[in-house]
Amino acid sequence: DIQMTQSPSSVSASVGDRVTITCRASQGISNWLAWYQQKPGKAPRLLIYAASTLQSGVPSRFSGSGFGTDFSLTINSLQPEDFATYYCQQGNSFPYTFGQGTKLEIK
Amino acid sequence: QVTLRESGPALVRPTETLTLTCSFSGFSLSSHGMCVSWIRQPPGKALEWLAFIDWNDGKYYSTSLRTRLTISTDTSKNQVVLTVTNIDPVDTATYHCVHHLWYGDKYYFDYWGQGALVTVSS
Repeated sequence: DIQMTQSPSSVSASVGDRVTITCRASQGISNWLAWYQQKPGKAPRLLIYAASTLQSGVPSRFSGSGFGTDFSLTINSLQPEDFATYYCQQGNSFPYTFGQGTKLEIK
Repeated sequence: QVTLRESGPALVRPTETLTLTCSFSGFSLSSHGMCVSWIRQPPGKALEWLAFIDWNDGKYYSTSLRTRLTISTDTSKNQVVLTVTNIDPVDTATYHCVHHLWYGDKYYFDYWGQGALVTVSS
């Protein structure tokens, strides 16, 4: 199975800050990576797929990059509604696997 | 508008078989490219993908759980069923049914059911 490792596990930031979360795959996955946002008690929400393609309806302050084994999610100008947990997921091959999550907290 | 809704028992005894049903609308699983997965999340923990089924009845399973999982579909009823045998307290989780976005011959999870919390306890 492909292992997905996110860092950091948690991060504190303020409204208006820029935050970057990274995700590393245990083997190359081309650009077949997605990012999800999850708020407490809610189902995850697809933010980005194919490493950098923004899902419809997702604000442009979210962006993704990367290829192969190293990927990142950047949130520019953090808004109050962005404080949540973020997961990466590889879609390159079965079995699909997720990172362990990064909790973005308000400083 | 794609919607999915999970149903099943909230409490299951250890060693029993868990059966979860996903009822969906807004798409047909018999249409080319359509797929559904099950994903679970233990309380306070990360997401774990479990099983996948596509329009052609192709199926894939989690490596660690493959011997205990079965995914099937009733296209006439717009339902996907997941069974988990020999259930254990570590299987306590919220189980989500998820629709796939098909892009570049790969799939991502774009529509999620609200999830069904299943507690395993004697």
